[in-house]
Amino acid sequence: GAVVSQHPSRVICKSGTSVKIECRSLDFQATTMFWYRQFPKQSLMLMATSNEGSKATYEQGVEKDKFLINHASLTLSTLTVTSAHPEDSSFYICSARRGGIIEQFFGPGTRLTVL
Amino acid sequence: DQQVKQNSPSLSVQEGRISILNCDYTNSMFDYFLWYKKYPAEGPTFLISISSIKDKNEDGRFTVFLNKSAKHLSLHIVPSQPGDSAVYFCAARVSGTYKYIFGTGTRLKVLA
Repeated sequence: GAVVSQHPSRVICKSGTSVKIECRSLDFQATTMFWYRQFPKQSLMLMATSNEGSKATYEQGVEKDKFLINHASLTLSTLTVTSAHPEDSSFYICSARRGGIIEQFFGPGTRLTVL
Repeated sequence: DQQVKQNSPSLSVQEGRISILNCDYTNSMFDYFLWYKKYPAEGPTFLISISSIKDKNEDGRFTVFLNKSAKHLSLHIVPSQPGDSAVYFCAARVSGTYKYIFGTGTRLKVLA
């Protein structure tokens, strides 16, 4: 149990376009979902925390208008990178937690390349 | 300012021997520490955690030790197996939240 999927696994887009990444908890209802970003040889940096039906809480320095997060249900959260630029190229990874459990369960990640 | 540090980017160990991965932290406002394992092109998978009020937690081949005075934790894998080869991340949970701070990871290679 506790499987989290992400789609797509890899995306290449042109500068100025928007990209949507989906994160789904497949076999449990996620109380909270998280979005991280990882640059090469660096740690996972938390971008935002989202709870179903409410606005996401963004970490300091993360532009909420650029990284739109929608948590429409207890099993689905989406991250939209709007007007993407080459500096947005990165590995984006989501995680989910369920009530009463300390650990988060991670998706496989999405590699975004902006040309 | 990196609050959770893994100073060894890589480690090689012979199969059957002990692997020791280290992690240091600078903030006392963490209530749980966790270790995750990550294979290429996959998300991190949870291995083991420890509460800040404990100094040891064991689960099979994996043991985590916490030294609060030194703000240091370590993960011991005994015996090491080739399938343990992966990147290991330590993470600290900010007290009273679900926010994790991750280290930069240590790549473990277990040689057959």
